[in-house]
Amino acid sequence: SSELTQDPAVSVALGQTVRITCQGDSLRSYYASWYQQKPGQAPVLVIYGKNNRPSGIPDRFSGSSSGNTASLTITGAQAEDEADYYCNSRDSSGKGVFGGGTKLTVL
Amino acid sequence: QVQLVQSGAEVKKPGASVKVSCKVSGYTLTELSMHWVRQAPGKGLEWMGGFDPEDGETIYAQKFQGRVTMTEDTSTDTAYMELSSLRSEDTAVYYCATCSGGDCYSYYFDYWGQGTLVTVSS
Repeated sequence: SSELTQDPAVSVALGQTVRITCQGDSLRSYYASWYQQKPGQAPVLVIYGKNNRPSGIPDRFSGSSSGNTASLTITGAQAEDEADYYCNSRDSSGKGVFGGGTKLTVL
Repeated sequence: QVQLVQSGAEVKKPGASVKVSCKVSGYTLTELSMHWVRQAPGKGLEWMGGFDPEDGETIYAQKFQGRVTMTEDTSTDTAYMELSSLRSEDTAVYYCATCSGGDCYSYYFDYWGQGTLVTVSS
């Protein structure tokens, strides 16, 4: 089965840039999407496709991909960006998969 | 704009089944690729299954094969997820999530339901 691997926790100083990564073989064939989840809330899509942001998502969020690694970059992190971030994709058999999540702390 | 409204919280005994509904508005169900995701308390997101637009079929995660059934009632634009043989480890918030775009083959979910807490306890 496919797996997506994320670092469990990352921290960033207020206003600085942080990159959250997601690794998995399926990312060689399919794009990753990224979700922000705050406590007690449903996840919110922040990046999908090559580097697309849904309406309402600030442009400080961006995505990139190389080989088996997808990255979410927050340029100029804000206090409100503190949250859990999950990547997801699928494999060739149609099975979906989420990464284990990265807890982002803004210092 | 898609809205997904899920049914209310459920408490079930081990061995029972639960059926969670997800009512769609703003789009018709046939325009969407619907998936189900769950999250156990304090844990991460877990994909359970959903519609694969690449082959036009509903695909289930191996972990839930034989225990989960996902159906759709297009007359009421309501999707359902039924999970049987419940055990305590199935206690979780269950979300319906959908892709509304034309390029959903990578399984991105731009709309989510509010979640339904299912508690399995004797």
